[in-house]
Amino acid sequence: DAGVTQSPTHLIKTRGQQVTLRCSPKSGHDTVSWYQQALGQGPQFIFQYYEEEERQRGNFPDRFSGHQFPNYSSELNVNALLLGDSALYLCASSPGQVRIETQYFGPGTRLLVL
Amino acid sequence: GNSVTQMEGPVTLSEEAFLTINCTYTATGYPSLFWYVQYPGEGLQLLLKATKADDKGSNKGFEATYRKETTSFHLEKGSVQVSDSAVYFCALTPREGSQGNLIFGKGTKLSVKP
Repeated sequence: DAGVTQSPTHLIKTRGQQVTLRCSPKSGHDTVSWYQQALGQGPQFIFQYYEEEERQRGNFPDRFSGHQFPNYSSELNVNALLLGDSALYLCASSPGQVRIETQYFGPGTRLLVL
Repeated sequence: GNSVTQMEGPVTLSEEAFLTINCTYTATGYPSLFWYVQYPGEGLQLLLKATKADDKGSNKGFEATYRKETTSFHLEKGSVQVSDSAVYFCALTPREGSQGNLIFGKGTKLSVKP
């Protein structure tokens, strides 16, 4: 049983560019959440997708957007990259029907903005 | 608002020493509480959880008790091993107005020396 997978593993971009990160949830999970983990900090919630819609959003600007596909995989898009967007981006999946449930995390995508 | 505060690291222990990592929280209502562990170069793994007051979560020799009166969820292990070296994150999921997004502390890095 494959766990949560993310691609790419590493990415280098320059300020002002746009980036797309991808996530495939654990088998049987239909909810995907995205987190940003800056160096030396705990992860911060960006948003959550369920049934192809954004269900909840954290305190992140509109430059951060996402999408969920019918197969439950998800993308995180960041426009107009800033140096401060450099971080580890984590995807987590869970079953959507139960509101409070264990989330399973992927290995993350490390983004460096120069 | 909701927040998690955990003791700052790094924490350095000798093998077989006793471990305590303090965690306190602020939340409206009755959150679910979690400890996640992040090994070097990997994503987050759920270590243990507790969903109501006085519950004790336990796994791999680690345990933590949900203390509502002190709003705490301290992580303990009686005898640490070198393989326990990792970063430990305390987290909560608010019970009201949430679809399960996690709020993390800043993490505590543990190094266990042989």
